[in-house]
Amino acid sequence: KNEVEQSPQNLTAQEGEFITINCSYSVGISALHWLQQHPGGGIVSLFMLSSGKKKHGRLIATINIQEKHSSLHITASHPRDSAVYICAVSYTGTASKLTFGTGTRLQVTL
Amino acid sequence: NAGVTQTPKFRVLKTGQSMTLLCAQDMNHEYMYWYRQDPGMGLRLIHYSVGEGTTAKGEVPDGYNVSRLKKQNFLLGLESAAPSQTSVYFCASSYPRDYSYEQYFGPGTRLTVT
Repeated sequence: KNEVEQSPQNLTAQEGEFITINCSYSVGISALHWLQQHPGGGIVSLFMLSSGKKKHGRLIATINIQEKHSSLHITASHPRDSAVYICAVSYTGTASKLTFGTGTRLQVTL
Repeated sequence: NAGVTQTPKFRVLKTGQSMTLLCAQDMNHEYMYWYRQDPGMGLRLIHYSVGEGTTAKGEVPDGYNVSRLKKQNFLLGLESAAPSQTSVYFCASSYPRDYSYEQYFGPGTRLTVT
């Protein structure tokens, strides 16, 4: 069983919709990462957070440490947001290594 | 800056052949990692290095060896390739920021073992 669970696995949205992707983990962490992987494979780090909320453009990431849960929101979605979004955590005491979720495949249509 | 680069981008091997994947970074990062990505599974850590001359095993190290002779390079070797090693391999590097480690990824190497 993966220690990092993402939902949904697949998501289709129409352009302009508000999108939420969820991530839950099992034990205490030092940081949670959201990554984006486009078709063709390249992986880019979107956010790294250990508390609260971060915003970059139309992307917002939140984390609730007590509930061991994070969400990635995309406002006013666009077809160029189509990608796989991956949640990963680094555990307290092992800050150099990441444990990854299996990803959420997002398709945004016109 | 080129960031993190990987060579080759694609490779097809026959069972039993050997090869080395090269990862290079020009950001002076201390930490480097090798991952594999398989369908339906999250990225899994093969080996990692916390500095020049050091390496350590990750989650799935069997069948692979690594070396970090220079800070900027991290090599992943397959001594005797098996079909189970067909995968996409990603290298990453990181540096500590606020006691956490943001990772920068290479473009990946798609390896097929027949």
